[in-house]
Amino acid sequence: EPEVTQTPSHQVTQMGQEVILRCVPISNHLYFYWYRQILGQKVEFLVSFYNNEISEKSEIFDDQFSVERPDGSNFTLKIRSTKLEDSAMYFCASSDTYNSPLHFGNGTRLTVT
Amino acid sequence: GENVEQHPSTLSVQEGDSAVIKCTYSDSASNYFPWYKQELGKRPQLIIDIRSNVGEKKDQRIAVTLNKTAKHFSLHITETQPEDSAVYFCAASKGNYGQNFVFGPGTRLSVLP
Repeated sequence: EPEVTQTPSHQVTQMGQEVILRCVPISNHLYFYWYRQILGQKVEFLVSFYNNEISEKSEIFDDQFSVERPDGSNFTLKIRSTKLEDSAMYFCASSDTYNSPLHFGNGTRLTVT
Repeated sequence: GENVEQHPSTLSVQEGDSAVIKCTYSDSASNYFPWYKQELGKRPQLIIDIRSNVGEKKDQRIAVTLNKTAKHFSLHITETQPEDSAVYFCAASKGNYGQNFVFGPGTRLSVLP
């Protein structure tokens, strides 16, 4: 069964540094998402992406965040200047249509020190 | 925007008993309701979903019911097994272009042997 893959599995960075989290969605999927989950809390929506543009974003997704689909397979989340409160598990997800199940990757655990 | 509440936050049952988790949503336009299971340190995985044109759906030991009028939906697990122990998240979406899934806060289910 095809899977969403994310790299790295764990990223440690210092406050103020830039990080890029990488995702390879399922190949025939058209809708891509980033969610985050602070330890022990619920899964929170960050951004959705379709047709090479952001279709929706949450209040969390401020100017420090950006997404990109640099080629036909990768989907990245960039945090420009990390803060301590950015520490969380970041999940990439994809779906084949706009109202079909999300398929999540295994996540990248980001630790900001 | 959409708000999804979920109860209880923790649930302990004896192996073989049934477990019920309930969610309410606020946006009457929501029309798709998936349930995800998340084991410790792993990705959320879809276990069952229901659309607004259906009142009930069953898949072996798992069933979901939806009451659109009351804006609530429930997950029912029968004959629970230790491997059912996990955090369960409900979610709601409107299925519009650029939609995002709004997740409930999660229920930690423990099945005691």
